[in-house]
Amino acid sequence: DTGVSQNPRHKITKRGQNVTFRCDPISEHNRLYWYRQTLGQGPEFLTYFQNEAQLEKSRLLSDRFSAERPKGSFSTLEIQRTEQGDSAMYLCASSLAYTGEAFFGQGTRLTVV
Amino acid sequence: RKEVEQDPGPFNVPEGATVAFNCTYSNSASQSFFWYRQDCRKEPKLLMSVYSSGNEDGRFTAQLNRASQYISLLIRDSKLSDSATYLCVVNKGGGNKLVFGAGTILRVKS
Repeated sequence: DTGVSQNPRHKITKRGQNVTFRCDPISEHNRLYWYRQTLGQGPEFLTYFQNEAQLEKSRLLSDRFSAERPKGSFSTLEIQRTEQGDSAMYLCASSLAYTGEAFFGQGTRLTVV
Repeated sequence: RKEVEQDPGPFNVPEGATVAFNCTYSNSASQSFFWYRQDCRKEPKLLMSVYSSGNEDGRFTAQLNRASQYISLLIRDSKLSDSATYLCVVNKGGGNKLVFGAGTILRVKS
């Protein structure tokens, strides 16, 4: 399967714990996005990369969130000191730069208890 | 004001009906426009791009009105399988991020 891959698919964690998610984009795509989606809402932008450079981070994102794409291939999203409000589906997408045709992974569903 | 606004619906229509969704965007610098489809508990998938001259793909027609800053999607001869959430997406171009609307729910019933 050469699509976007996300791991894990599901994560249940206790409040206050740190979690890390991984995204493997389509190999030739240089653009990688992270979005968060809650029930009844569209995907909310978190951050995006072109190659290894993080181009933008949402102002809504607290300092507990950090993302990396060290070699311009896979990316990780870390949430420190998780809160119940962090419970959501975390979606990763990739595309070629300068197009809007993004391909999404199946997401990581985070539940903070 | 949200950057992209959509009527959340749901739109409940019988099979064979024609249904139309609208979407408005606030940033006049937006350059690219798309409709994505999202099935329940699945990831969004690109349905079609929206071009200035309007474009059609089978039963689906998308149109853009830059002056009024809205985008529309028309579905003819609705099928049960069209039931999904339709997400309006805009992009400022130049490699900027995609901005999603909250989605419009369509339910096609037999």
